[in-house]
Formats: sequence, structure tokens, C-alpha cells
Amino acid sequence: GENVEQHPSTLSVQEGDSAVIKCTYSDSASNYFPWYKQELGKRPQLIIDIRSNVGEKKDQRIAVTLNKTAKHFSLHITETQPEDSAVYFCAAGYGNNRLAFGKGNQVVVIP
Amino acid sequence: GAGVSQSPRYKVAKRGQDVALRCDPISGHVSLFWYQQALGQGPEFLTYFQNEAQLDKSGLPSDRFFAERPEGSVSTLKIQRTQQEDSAVYLCASGLPSVESGTGELFFGEGSRLTVL
Repeated sequence: GENVEQHPSTLSVQEGDSAVIKCTYSDSASNYFPWYKQELGKRPQLIIDIRSNVGEKKDQRIAVTLNKTAKHFSLHITETQPEDSAVYFCAAGYGNNRLAFGKGNQVVVIP
Repeated sequence: GAGVSQSPRYKVAKRGQDVALRCDPISGHVSLFWYQQALGQGPEFLTYFQNEAQLDKSGLPSDRFFAERPEGSVSTLKIQRTQQEDSAVYLCASGLPSVESGTGELFFGEGSRLTVL
């Protein structure tokens, strides 16, 4: 089955700086790559996703890049703000919405 | 409400008790998933329904775990003879398959936090 790994496990950034989280996946059949944000005690919420037919997608301060050859994709957050502090999960999947999640990255934005 | 609803939000069980966790998906969502999230970890897949059909239960950790969705809407995850290692947050998610690729956004509930003493 699909195996997703995230690095680094914890990331601290100064407010206003950029944060980058990288994920690798194992199954070349995966074609859907979402990123979820989870605040403490809350539900995971989709913040951005990308499909295998594009290499990059951007939504305001958030962007995701995908390298299918290397089987990795990254989340980029620019101009970080304190409310960006959360755990971010990447996932990979194909067909029928079955997603395999990474273990998560704790992002801490220091004011 | 318009979101995925789970109950109970918190459940404390004594070791050996049976528990039942309920999920009300978003109306009209075909796909329903159960995930288990241990403290500090990512969600781990348990089982998947498409309407009332359980298409994948490969993630259920033992035969003590059972899930059903008899009418293709509400789902129940049942854990028999609970053990301490069952302590986790159980997340339910629903969604619609994407026409484009077969996968689409999952909408998660708040989860049911199970603590087994």
C-alpha cells in the first residue's frame, strides 16, 4: 500500500518568514495529493490539493508543488502568521478517495 | 448542520467493554471513511464505504472492530472488548468521488476521543 512520509516533524519560523514542508510517497499510481491543517483538538481541514496532471498550484499565501518523477510534493506557506501554527498533514491517494496520511508536521510561527 | 457530525465526542470505557461510535456524514456524500488517529500521529485508515457497501476494511486492526452503514448514510464503528491500545481519536470523513480522477476532498468530523482505562 501507499506509504507517505513527512519532513521535518517540527518546524519553527519567525512571523513573516516562509515555511516549507516536504512529503514523499511510494505508490506511483497515486494521483491526488491534499494537504490538511489540524489545530489542537479540531478536525483536519483541507487547505490545498493538487492532482497529478499539474506541477504547481497556488492559493493566496499557500502553494503546493508536485514532482511525480521523484514522488514528492511540498507545501509552501509565505508571509507566515501566528494563525498558521498547527499540525499539517499531507496525504496521497487514488481511486475512491482512499488516502494515506503522513504523520504530520507541527508548524510553530513565532511572533 | 452542514458538516460531518460524530458522537459521542468523548467516551471513556473500561477495558473489556464494547463501544459504538456514530458518524452522520454530509447529506448526499457517497464515500465514508473511518480513520484512527493516535496522539501525535496522522490519521490511519480503518475502513471505507461507498454508499452501503463496505469496499475496504483492510485497516481494521482486529476482528474486534466492526463497521456498518446499512442505509448508505449514518455509519457506526463498533469496538468489542476494548483494550488500552484502542485509545485514540476516531475520525469519520465523507466525500464525493471526483469525476476527474476518482478522488476528491474529504470532509472530516470532529472525531470521537476514546479512552480505555
